[in-house]
Amino acid sequence: KNEVEQSPQNLTAQEGEFITINCSYSVGISALHWLQQHPGGGIVSLFMLSSGKKKHGRLIATINIQEKHSSLHITASHPRDSAVYICAVIYGGSQGNLIFGKGTKLSVKP
Amino acid sequence: GAGVSQSPSNKVTEKGKDVELRCDPISGHTALYWYRQSLGQGLEFLIYFQGNSAPDKSGLPSDRFSAERTGGSVSTLTIQRTQQEDSAVYLCASSFATGTSPLHFGNGTRLTVT
Repeated sequence: KNEVEQSPQNLTAQEGEFITINCSYSVGISALHWLQQHPGGGIVSLFMLSSGKKKHGRLIATINIQEKHSSLHITASHPRDSAVYICAVIYGGSQGNLIFGKGTKLSVKP
Repeated sequence: GAGVSQSPSNKVTEKGKDVELRCDPISGHTALYWYRQSLGQGLEFLIYFQGNSAPDKSGLPSDRFSAERTGGSVSTLTIQRTQQEDSAVYLCASSFATGTSPLHFGNGTRLTVT
């Protein structure tokens, strides 16, 4: 049973396209992370949000707690955005107990 | 250092041997987390330390796994009697204690059990 589902699993886009990655979860959460993992393994935290919307540069993250859904948007995508994007939810009130999605592998072609 | 430091970056060990993986968090971060990522699998929570509180060990897969955090800073993850299924990348992260603090990840230790 997957408590955190991401879609799509793989995504190929042309440079400049608007990209949306979705995350749905089935458990009650206190917050949600969006993470970026580049080839070679390094993971960077993009956003942590518990309500509404956050924006950083070309990245926008939204969450709807009632619908148990979050989206990560990338505007004006660029080849350097190519990475695996991972959604993770904070479950059970413990900051550490993250449940991770399996990730969305994004490839942006020039 | 500026970021979360993990050592070694790669470790190859024989089945049955014990291994120790080290994590040096960002200075001032009271929260420290261990995760692992097996080949082709997603990330999996192992253990979480928050200040002087008892750690959340709910993610440890067996009693062969243990972790310590000395002095509220450096942490060591120990795997006893390693098995081939323990092969994975072990990632450490740290953060401030607040509920809205982002996680800062180390580059991981790639463990291969032969």
